[in-house]
Amino acid sequence: ENVLTQSPGTLSLSPGERATLSCRSSQSISGRLLTWYQQKLGQPPRLLIYGGSTRATGIPDRFSAGGSGTVFTLTISRLEPEDFAVYHCQQYGSPLTFGGGTKVEIK
Amino acid sequence: QVQLQESGPGLLKPSETLSLTCTVSGASISSYDWTWVRQPPGKGLEWIGDLYSGGATKLSPSLTSRVTLSLDTSKSQFSLRLRSVTAADSAVYYCARLNMGYDSTGFYHFFDSWGQGTLVTVSS
Repeated sequence: ENVLTQSPGTLSLSPGERATLSCRSSQSISGRLLTWYQQKLGQPPRLLIYGGSTRATGIPDRFSAGGSGTVFTLTISRLEPEDFAVYHCQQYGSPLTFGGGTKVEIK
Repeated sequence: QVQLQESGPGLLKPSETLSLTCTVSGASISSYDWTWVRQPPGKGLEWIGDLYSGGATKLSPSLTSRVTLSLDTSKSQFSLRLRSVTAADSAVYYCARLNMGYDSTGFYHFFDSWGQGTLVTVSS
């Protein structure tokens, strides 16, 4: 099973700051198989990025993602108040797995 | 706009069978693939399995011996059955639409619409 490890567990930042979230894969995968979701408290996950770097419909361009092999990154260029949430990475493999999540909280 | 809604009992006893239904509106259930994901309170997401429009399934190896996924196109619903539940199966269960295929740049697979989730607690 391909284990995804997200770091840090919690990221404390202020609005307007840049957030960089990491997702490390225990096995090398194509970046196209990496997906990112955003989840706010009490809500279902929301598709953010698919195919490694393609923003889903309606996702602002302050969100970007990339990476290859075993290291993947989600970047939020300037945090808006609505961006404080938990972010999950997910890889399509056999089986499909999710990372443990990174919480982005207000400092 | 597609909408998904999970339904089913919120409380089960150990060894019972969990049965959840996801009702789909705003899209033809026959035209898409679907999935189930769960999330124990305060923890991360766990994939349960994919259900394809033709009725075939792909299940998590850790759950395959206890899980059945099925499709009822006449009711625009798909279902999850999980047998012999234990406290470890307590979680919020989500149904979602699976978007999978090939485009000009290659294969893609992601979950693009989610239900609100339903909390299932297993306790004696």
